[in-house]
Amino acid sequence: KQEVTQIPAALSVPEGENLVLNCSFTDSAIYNLQWFRQDPGKGLTSLLLIQSSQREQTSGRLNASLDKSSGRSTLYIAASQPGDSATYLCAVKGNYQLIWGAGTKLIIKP
Amino acid sequence: DGGITQSPKYLFRKEGQNVTLSCEQNLNHDAMYWYRQDPGQGLRLIYYSQIVNDFQKGDIAEGYSVSREKKESFPLTVTSAQKNPTAFYLCASSTMDRARVSTEAFFGQGTRLTVV
Repeated sequence: KQEVTQIPAALSVPEGENLVLNCSFTDSAIYNLQWFRQDPGKGLTSLLLIQSSQREQTSGRLNASLDKSSGRSTLYIAASQPGDSATYLCAVKGNYQLIWGAGTKLIIKP
Repeated sequence: DGGITQSPKYLFRKEGQNVTLSCEQNLNHDAMYWYRQDPGQGLRLIYYSQIVNDFQKGDIAEGYSVSREKKESFPLTVTSAQKNPTAFYLCASSTMDRARVSTEAFFGQGTRLTVV
């Protein structure tokens, strides 16, 4: 059974720092992996989608990598800003559904 | 604008009452999903539908029901059989690729249900 883990559960860093969020999964047989952002009390916003055949995807200050063999993905955020404060969720696509991590709550201090 | 609309944003249910959460999408997506989110946990799948008039149970379907009479709509009913319904409910949709595998998922803004 696929399990997805996100560590740490919470992270607080000063503004301007580069940071890495981690996502690990137990079964490498995935179709894709998706990173989302969730603001308090809001829905999810898709940030990056990496297909199983891809190694990384980039969007602006965000870069996501995927290493299926080791069951890991990282989300790199460059030059963090207070507006980046949110909970970041990763999800892996199995046969018919997404399997979710519990998220990393990120706080960027001004 | 294309997107997914959930309503209402907040919903209060009395004990023993059924309530229905609305989810509408104008993205022309084939697949739609309902998730439940509880604090400190990952999202859990309640029901999903890959085509009109067809839907499948997810991991926590007990106490919930759905219908898919139109491609654009996938309402979720929380019945009185759901013993702990207080949670944040999220609706999502996605396209399907040639292998009938869902692609990127897009979400609505959620409905917060509280039992009073």
